[in-house]
Amino acid sequence: AQSVTQLGSHVSVSEGALVLLRCNYSSSVPPYLFWYVQYPNQGLQLLLKYTSAATLVKGINGFEAEFKKSETSFHLTKPSAHMSDAAEYFCAVSRNTGFQKLVFGTGTRLLVSP
Amino acid sequence: DTAVSQTPKYLVTQMGNDKSIKCEQNLGHDTMYWYKQDSKKFLKIMFSYNNKELIINETVPNRFSPKSPDKAHLNLHINSLELGDSAVYFCASRGEGTEAFFGQGTRLTVV
Repeated sequence: AQSVTQLGSHVSVSEGALVLLRCNYSSSVPPYLFWYVQYPNQGLQLLLKYTSAATLVKGINGFEAEFKKSETSFHLTKPSAHMSDAAEYFCAVSRNTGFQKLVFGTGTRLLVSP
Repeated sequence: DTAVSQTPKYLVTQMGNDKSIKCEQNLGHDTMYWYKQDSKKFLKIMFSYNNKELIINETVPNRFSPKSPDKAHLNLHINSLELGDSAVYFCASRGEGTEAFFGQGTRLTVV
């Protein structure tokens, strides 16, 4: 079975500060990993994905994440937070074969203060 | 051109009623899903279809019945609605080895 743990239900940063959202996964097979963002009353939008190519993955809006197999982690970072980054962020894992479901973490609410 | 579209966006109904949510994707994907997001934002898969065939049914009450008339459509019918069914329901589609694309969600409120 696969699972994802997101540490911290809420993360607060100041505008311009580093954003770090943590994600650890559990998977018995090589995983695919994803970060999605959800703005209020909207659907989920893909930020970036790891599909067994480069371990450092760059996404939209200046976000990036690094796949670390030894640490079973896929933390999301952004060097400088913007007010528009305030949203709910979800890490997800799936198997890397076939038509597999995405299993989501519990989400992290990012709060950005001026 | 919306990739995954759901209707309606909002649905308010009384306990005991039957309602349906429709979903269509124009991405040519073979796999479609229904997810439920509860009040704490937790996303849990309900069903997965691959090319009109049910693949995953995650211990969902049988009051919920998905139907896939073709691989571009996956509808969700709910019988005898209960207060606890209030949530946001997301449809998604996925091609093999790719990410899932989500619809805008249907906020169901049972009163």
